[in-house]
Amino acid sequence: DTGVSQNPRHKITKRGQNVTFRCDPISEHNRLYWYRQTLGQGPEFLTYFQNEAQLEKSRLLSDRFSAERPKGSFSTLEIQRTEQGDSAMYLCASSLQDTGANVLTFGAGSRLTVL
Amino acid sequence: GNSVTQMEGPVTLSEEAFLTINCTYTATGYPSLFWYVQYPGEGLQLLLKATKADDKGSNKGFEATYRKETTSFHLEKGSVQVSDSAVYFCALSTSGTYKYIFGTGTRLKVLA
Repeated sequence: DTGVSQNPRHKITKRGQNVTFRCDPISEHNRLYWYRQTLGQGPEFLTYFQNEAQLEKSRLLSDRFSAERPKGSFSTLEIQRTEQGDSAMYLCASSLQDTGANVLTFGAGSRLTVL
Repeated sequence: GNSVTQMEGPVTLSEEAFLTINCTYTATGYPSLFWYVQYPGEGLQLLLKATKADDKGSNKGFEATYRKETTSFHLEKGSVQVSDSAVYFCALSTSGTYKYIFGTGTRLKVLA
């Protein structure tokens, strides 16, 4: 078990460019989440997948953001036409559906800086 | 709506001091409560959890008790170490939903 892996760890881009982040969850986990964390704040929920189905999207996720999880394995988060306000740490987490508390395992995050 | 409020940091303590980080919540239904810790350069890690009223979560010397009457889940440790320096996040997850609501985090700095 290698944990949740996110790539790239750091991305610096110019305003207006597109960026894509990848998340590889723990292999047996069927739930996958994306969160965004800005400096001095707690993580904010963006979207959630159960297997390959995207079941919920936050209002924070504008039309410029799209997430996919083909075949219920890895996931990608794409941001089109980036804006300076998109600068943040993008966190991926996964969990296994069971009857207990929904415990999330987080990756180390992908830090985006938009110049 | 659901929310989590944590005490603001940073909290600076000397090694072996007693730690309390306050956390209160607002939620409909009966949430599960969590403390996560984030060490520099690393992802958030689950520290402890409690799923119902009066449950006590504990791990690595840290404890927190789910108090429904005061809607609180304060984190405590009797004797902190330099290695406990990190940011601590309180969070809740309500039954039937899958997303967490996090507090803003409390930075702890322990001095030798």
